[in-house]
Amino acid sequence: TQLLEQSPQFLSIQEGENLTVYCNSSSVFSSLQWYRQEPGEGPVLLVTVVTGGEVKKLKRLTFQFGDARKDSSLHITAAQPGDTGLYLCAGAPGSGYSTLTFGKGTMLLVSP
Amino acid sequence: SAVISQKPSRDICQRGTSLTIQCQVDSQVTMMFWYRQQPGQSLTLIATANQGSEATYESGFVIDKFPISRPNLTFSTLTVSNMSPEDSSIYLCSGWWRGQGGYTFGSGTRLTVV
Repeated sequence: TQLLEQSPQFLSIQEGENLTVYCNSSSVFSSLQWYRQEPGEGPVLLVTVVTGGEVKKLKRLTFQFGDARKDSSLHITAAQPGDTGLYLCAGAPGSGYSTLTFGKGTMLLVSP
Repeated sequence: SAVISQKPSRDICQRGTSLTIQCQVDSQVTMMFWYRQQPGQSLTLIATANQGSEATYESGFVIDKFPISRPNLTFSTLTVSNMSPEDSSIYLCSGWWRGQGGYTFGSGTRLTVV
């Protein structure tokens, strides 16, 4: 069974601070996805990374896939209250259809 | 991008009863899945809903407790049967389209069993 260790589990910061969330595994993934979930809603896909060493940017969010495709990170610059939510990483073991392995999630609270 | 409409959004049910959750997709979807989630925590896969055949259940989940239907490529239901308070959770459906990088989720059903 492939496992994804996500850290930290909870993060409470002030507006304007930077933060990084980590997602690590001993297994290789074909791709890794990051989702954000707000209360009362389903997870929303932020990005999918598929190539080892790949870096993708989405405004103030920077996603990186490790060279060995076993880990990933999400960095948020100058966090805003609107960034508050549950961040989930999910790994796909194969290309095409794959049952996702989800990390335990990081609950981020950004205070004004 | 595709939209998945899930209902009900929440319900409070008596123990021993059953609740059916519906998911309607606005386009034909390759794969559909059902997940369970405790508030603020990660997702646990219940089963893969197969069109026209029996669902594929994950370890710890059985068809008698969580019967699933998927009569066509745009619709699926999950029933939580003979409910107990331990079934209180958020239930989510999701879809995956061939060529799409990630999954699309419904907004979830928050179930409370009393």
